Amino acid sequence: DGGITQSPKYLFRKEGQNVTLSCEQNLNHDAMYWYRQDPGQGLRLIYYSQIVNDFQKGDIAEGYSVSREKKESFPLTVTSAQKNPTAFYLCASSGGPWTEAFFGQGTRLTVV
Amino acid sequence: AQSVTQLDSQVPVFEEAPVELRCNYSSSVSVYLFWYVQYPNQGLQLLLKYLSGSTLVKSINGFEAEFNKSQTSFHLRKPSVHISDTAEYFCAVSATDSWGKLQFGAGTQVVVTP
Repeated sequence: DGGITQSPKYLFRKEGQNVTLSCEQNLNHDAMYWYRQDPGQGLRLIYYSQIVNDFQKGDIAEGYSVSREKKESFPLTVTSAQKNPTAFYLCASSGGPWTEAFFGQGTRLTVV
Repeated sequence: AQSVTQLDSQVPVFEEAPVELRCNYSSSVSVYLFWYVQYPNQGLQLLLKYLSGSTLVKSINGFEAEFNKSQTSFHLRKPSVHISDTAEYFCAVSATDSWGKLQFGAGTQVVVTP
């Protein structure tokens, strides 16, 4: 079935460590996005990519990095520079500005 | 830039009663409008969308929303809710030239009780 796969579903990180969240899509979408969700704040855009080998910062990019080496993959690295990384992370993809975004099931990251 | 305001953080409602979730937005450019639903510990699912044409849009499970350009609103309604409608609902907008980048409201938690 077509869709977006995020892994892992749950992730625990020690302070000072970098961790990478995986996002894969088989919808043949050009655009991919990473959002962060915190209780009572909705979703906020971290990074987005409209084409392979190109990406742009969103509203809260500090402490995060991404890559887009393949059309179907858009991994997110949460670096040790991110001061408050505990959150629910959602990956999405879109086929163009006139269509809706499709979301993965999310990764819950907890700093221990 | 766009912004979205969902006026109610939580809406309690009895089963089979109607519900309305309010959404207002601001934008200096044309936008597309969306309602997404999220069940606990899951991703977001599209409920309905307004891209152009008729200002009243409907979903297959009984929800509807009306785009009001003069009031910059996109309120969501359902005439009779079920227990299974308990979820968080997000209103979102994207500028028509933004390639799908979404600006979300803070969300409204709907709790349906018997």
